[in-house]
Amino acid sequence: EVQLVEWGGGMVQPGRSLRLSCTTSGFNFGDYAMSWVRQAPGKGLEWVGLIRYRALGGTTEYAASVRGRFSISRDDSQSIAYLQMNSLRSEDTAVYYCTRAPTGNGYKYFFDYWGQGTLVTVSS
Amino acid sequence: DIQMTQSPSTLSAYVGDRVTITCRASQSISGWLAWYQQKPDKAPKLLIHRASSLESGFPSRFSGSGSGTEFTLTISSLQPDDFATYYCQQYDSYPLTIGGGTKVEIK
Repeated sequence: EVQLVEWGGGMVQPGRSLRLSCTTSGFNFGDYAMSWVRQAPGKGLEWVGLIRYRALGGTTEYAASVRGRFSISRDDSQSIAYLQMNSLRSEDTAVYYCTRAPTGNGYKYFFDYWGQGTLVTVSS
Repeated sequence: DIQMTQSPSTLSAYVGDRVTITCRASQSISGWLAWYQQKPDKAPKLLIHRASSLESGFPSRFSGSGSGTEFTLTISSLQPDDFATYYCQQYDSYPLTIGGGTKVEIK
């Protein structure tokens, strides 16, 4: 059974940093891209970024709203994806979902499995 | 960036109704479109990818169609379990973008 579990959320002051982790099981982690999607309270979904799998260089893509502040990494040996969030702003307050992205279409990624999400609140 | 516009934003319908949700892309995305279903306080679930490929676990009353810039999600006979918010997502180019959602409510 495919499982993704996010942890590391919580309340943080503006300007500070936070790292989210996504532990996975039930599939060969190294064969998939991983992505983060967030949802502000009462709002829609917003794609944050993704990291490709090793065969495609493990390269990353980001939404403009987080580029330069957030970074995604992965540890294939432990089947974990990370979202490092720096210079946090109040508008980053959201539930952050870790998602799996099938790689059968080259660089075209949708999200076939989602974690339960972890809430990040940025407030003084 | 490719903008994804869903309509309507809210839809009220009866059980048994045929329901259609539209998703329009600001430029052609070929067939690189996914649909997700989200129930309150739950993570989204992949419903359809490649515009019309239904995920296992979802009943055949759900169908997707379209290509280029206009796509539709149809529920042929709305059931109580289908009341949820539906999102479309384009994955033709970066940044990946997601529509604003369509909330399907009970009438």
